[in-house]
Amino acid sequence: KNEVEQSPQNLTAQEGEFITINCSYSVGISALHWLQQHPGGGIVSLFMLSSGKKKHGRLIATINIQEKHSSLHITASHPRDSAVYICARSPEGAQKLVFGQGTRLTINP
Amino acid sequence: ETGVTQSPTHLIKTRGQQVTLRCSSQSGHNTVSWYQQALGQGPQFIFQYYREEENGRGNFPPRFSGLQFPNYSSELNVNALELDDSALYLCASSRPGTGGDTQYFGPGTRLTVL
Repeated sequence: KNEVEQSPQNLTAQEGEFITINCSYSVGISALHWLQQHPGGGIVSLFMLSSGKKKHGRLIATINIQEKHSSLHITASHPRDSAVYICARSPEGAQKLVFGQGTRLTINP
Repeated sequence: ETGVTQSPTHLIKTRGQQVTLRCSSQSGHNTVSWYQQALGQGPQFIFQYYREEENGRGNFPPRFSGLQFPNYSSELNVNALELDDSALYLCASSRPGTGGDTQYFGPGTRLTVL
């Protein structure tokens, strides 16, 4: 069992829909990261959070430390949001990232 | 653009050969982490360098080795290449500080082993 589990693995939606991607982790963290990976490989960090909620444009990330669960939401989704979204945890006391398997999101026009 | 560069972008090798991948970190970052991403999987941590010293290692054999230079750029070396080493290799640099700092990723090197 992976230490970081994401759901769903694949998600297809229509432009304008509200998107939610979930992430659960099994051990303690110093922070939880959401990243975006486009075809070709480049990874961009979207959020790093250790409590509460963060918002950037149409993206919102939340975390519940007690339940070891985080969600990434996209409002008013657009075809350019199509990418793989990856959740990763920073273990306590370490700077490395432990990644989930990613969620492939496709937004159709 | 994250300011992290990697070279080469693509590489084809044959089994048994050796390969060196390079990473230049973002200015001001003294920590470089290397990850291996197989097709359809999330990245797996290989190792991390902090101020020229290895600072943590994942579950990879000793034929995966690395270096960090005084300017904080880094190399990943893989000896005796195997077919399963075919993957995207990503490096990420981060600022000094406590665990959990944001990591800035390079574009990756895609290695194919034939």
